[in-house]
Amino acid sequence: GNSVTQMEGPVTLSEEAFLTINCTYTATGYPSLFWYVQYPGEGLQLLLKATKADDKGSNKGFEATYRKETTSFHLEKGSVQVSDSAVYFCALSGVTGGGNKLTFGTGTQLKVEL
Amino acid sequence: GAGVSQSPSNKVTEKGKDVELRCDPISGHTALYWYRQSLGQGLEFLIYFQGNSAPDKSGLPSDRFSAERTGGSVSTLTIQRTQQEDSAVYLCASSFWTSGTDTQYFGPGTRLTVL
Repeated sequence: GNSVTQMEGPVTLSEEAFLTINCTYTATGYPSLFWYVQYPGEGLQLLLKATKADDKGSNKGFEATYRKETTSFHLEKGSVQVSDSAVYFCALSGVTGGGNKLTFGTGTQLKVEL
Repeated sequence: GAGVSQSPSNKVTEKGKDVELRCDPISGHTALYWYRQSLGQGLEFLIYFQGNSAPDKSGLPSDRFSAERTGGSVSTLTIQRTQQEDSAVYLCASSFWTSGTDTQYFGPGTRLTVL
């Protein structure tokens, strides 16, 4: 079936450190890939997305590239801030026979310290 | 403009009672989705509406769960004879189109606690 696997957290970094959160997927067809973020006490927000192979999504200094050959969509940021502390979810949709529903990974908690 | 709104924000109920959760999507959004977020299961899809019809109900965990959408707008998720395992945050999302590439916008959720 369709699934998303992301690295377990929590990930704890110092401010200005480099961030990578790994995400790999299994899907039939050609899904679209998303990163959603959930800040403490807030709802899910779209961070970035990519709809086809080799596309790069970017927003707020975060980037992720849709790699079909490795079925991956790793999230990166060059210099994290305390305000980036949140839970990050990798997700896919648009798979063959799966309609438009989002399939999420388990989420990775990021803690950024001064 | 206004985002997706959900009510109530919190609901505490006793085992065996029925509950109704409401979702108001973004105006003009034709697609509406319900998800559930729980500690044990993560984020799970429940049901999807296109207009007033539900082409995909595959995520509803049992026949105690049902949902409807009227006027292509407001949706209600009903859980009958609630059980403790129904405790979770119920999230609603809406999108303009039904393409798999379209962004789904999420509401703040309803936290359901079944005692």
